[in-house]
Amino acid sequence: GEDVEQSLFLSVREGDSSVINCTYTDSSSTYLYWYKQEPGAGLQLLTYIFSNMDMKQDQRLTVLLNKKDKHLSLRIADTQTGDSAIYFCAERGHTGRRALTFGSGTRLQVQP
Amino acid sequence: DGGITQSPKYLFRKEGQNVTLSCEQNLNHDAMYWYRQDPGQGLRLIYYSQIVNDFQKGDIAEGYSVSREKKESFPLTVTSAQKNPTAFYLCASSIIGGTEYGYTFGSGTRLTVV
Repeated sequence: GEDVEQSLFLSVREGDSSVINCTYTDSSSTYLYWYKQEPGAGLQLLTYIFSNMDMKQDQRLTVLLNKKDKHLSLRIADTQTGDSAIYFCAERGHTGRRALTFGSGTRLQVQP
Repeated sequence: DGGITQSPKYLFRKEGQNVTLSCEQNLNHDAMYWYRQDPGQGLRLIYYSQIVNDFQKGDIAEGYSVSREKKESFPLTVTSAQKNPTAFYLCASSIIGGTEYGYTFGSGTRLTVV
């Protein structure tokens, strides 16, 4: 079956880099996504990576994908207090059900 | 502006009552989804629909029901059979098939049993 796992909490100081990790089990995943959720709000798509890519950079965000280990990471450079939120990784398999599977979310706390 | 709207933002339910959560989108998306969010458990899929008049159960469908009579609307009913309904409910929509656009989410409905 499909399963996505993340660590629950990460604390960094303002200006440092943050790295949020995710592992998944579905080897047929096509797209993998990172979403951000602020308190009491819905999820906002931050970035995505297609399964045939190793890396994608988008301004302060860098996504790394290791397909062999089924490991995905999100690096946020120069982390700001406004980056404090819950970050979810999600994957969409190629077969089986046609809906995203989400991880449990990583709460990022940025200390001033 | 196109988007997805959930209402109400807060909902209180007495024991034994059915309640219906609204989800409407004007993005012309074919697919719609309902997820439940509990602290520390991420998002769990309740139901999804890829076309009008058709829907599939997700991982935690027991105690919930949906309908998809119009492309724009995908209401979720939380029935009295759902034993622990207090949670944050998120509706989403997408085009069919995997794309870089992922899902568009509504702002959620927080349901509390009183």
